[in-house]
Amino acid sequence: GAVVSQHPSWVICKSGTSVKIECRSLDFQATTMFWYRQFPKQSLMLMATSNEGSKATYEQGVEKDKFLINHASLTLSTLTVTSAHPEDSSFYICSAAIGSSPLHFGNGTRLTVT
Amino acid sequence: ELKVEQNPLFLSMQEGKNYTIYCNYSTTSDRLYWYRQDPGKSLESLFVLLSNGAVKQEGRLMASLDTKARLSTLHITAAVHDLSATYFCAVDETSGSRLTFGEGTQLTVNP
Repeated sequence: GAVVSQHPSWVICKSGTSVKIECRSLDFQATTMFWYRQFPKQSLMLMATSNEGSKATYEQGVEKDKFLINHASLTLSTLTVTSAHPEDSSFYICSAAIGSSPLHFGNGTRLTVT
Repeated sequence: ELKVEQNPLFLSMQEGKNYTIYCNYSTTSDRLYWYRQDPGKSLESLFVLLSNGAVKQEGRLMASLDTKARLSTLHITAAVHDLSATYFCAVDETSGSRLTFGEGTQLTVNP
């Protein structure tokens, strides 16, 4: 089946630094990738939608200058959390789709900002 | 704005019992997904429901979709401890794979 690889699985960083999270579709080309954030004991909230070669579409309330998304190819999207703060600590999950076919989710990245 | 509501949010049940989790959504859609999430893990796809009246079963879980009522159910039959997890429904409003998730139902199956 289709596999989405997310890296790293967990990361700890100091406040004020930036962190990059990668999302790769390993055996298919994803037309669209999605980035979600999940706080403890809560549901998944969509942060942004990215299409290869174009700017990401951010959900209301998500700061595009803080959460930089790059979708350079059909198999790779990256999320960079810039100037991270403790309130950015969360579980970040990407997903990838081919057209309107069912989504495939990455294993998630747990970010802790100290 | 699409709203997706799950009921109940917490469910504690005994092994061997049956129960149903409900997922209501507020706008027209015929694409609904059910996922399982274990603590600290990402989502595991359980069911994809793509039309009114769709019913799918896998083991002790059965999901159905009623698009006219904007309701999906996840039925658990003869629960076992291994089913303990959080279950999410998600609705694709635009058929473009952009999902809106329900709050999740935290299921605990007690021996």
